[in-house]
Amino acid sequence: DAGITQSPRYKITETGRQVTLMCHQTWSHSYMFWYRQDLGHGLRLIYYSAAADITDKGEVPDGYVVSRSKTENFPLTLESATRSQTSVYFCASRDNYGYTFGSGTRLTVV
Amino acid sequence: RKEVEQDPGPFNVPEGATVAFNCTYSNSASQSFFWYRQDCRKEPKLLMSVYSSGNEDGRFTAQLNRASQYISLLIRDSKLSDSATYLCVVNGNNFNKFYFGSGTKLNVKP
Repeated sequence: DAGITQSPRYKITETGRQVTLMCHQTWSHSYMFWYRQDLGHGLRLIYYSAAADITDKGEVPDGYVVSRSKTENFPLTLESATRSQTSVYFCASRDNYGYTFGSGTRLTVV
Repeated sequence: RKEVEQDPGPFNVPEGATVAFNCTYSNSASQSFFWYRQDCRKEPKLLMSVYSSGNEDGRFTAQLNRASQYISLLIRDSKLSDSATYLCVVNGNNFNKFYFGSGTKLNVKP
């Protein structure tokens, strides 16, 4: 399927566990992003990537790790999940016309 | 001060009404502006870009006021299907960084 896909759609994990959220795009857009969305905060940028092997921190990077070995994939890893990381996570890619978002991953840390 | 600020609403309007939202931004050097629409529990989707001279897409009109540093979105003849949260997006000093407003919620009532 063309577009940007995220997996899993829903995830429940325990505090302290490592969890990886996947993001895949089929357009070969250079820029990819990870956002989290919480009530009262809107979308907050976690990390972004300008190209394969180039990543940079956003507003709220602590506790997260990203990699981008291939242009089409941009996984986000929570190294040791905490309850404060319960959120909806959106991956996005961007071209000259704006952002396109994946459907999101709803992560609950218990 | 936040990079981008929006009135969270909700704006409750009857079908057929005209409604307008504003979004203020703090960086006078910002060059790119967008409006996104987000339905409940879904990903944001691009509604329209905002051009310096203003632009229209059907019932939707977007305008930019650089002097006062705000963008606006006007919706004419509101439909029930327009009920959603509308996010404004503005770029910062670094073109790679875009800031999302927290959104304005619109409820269109029959």
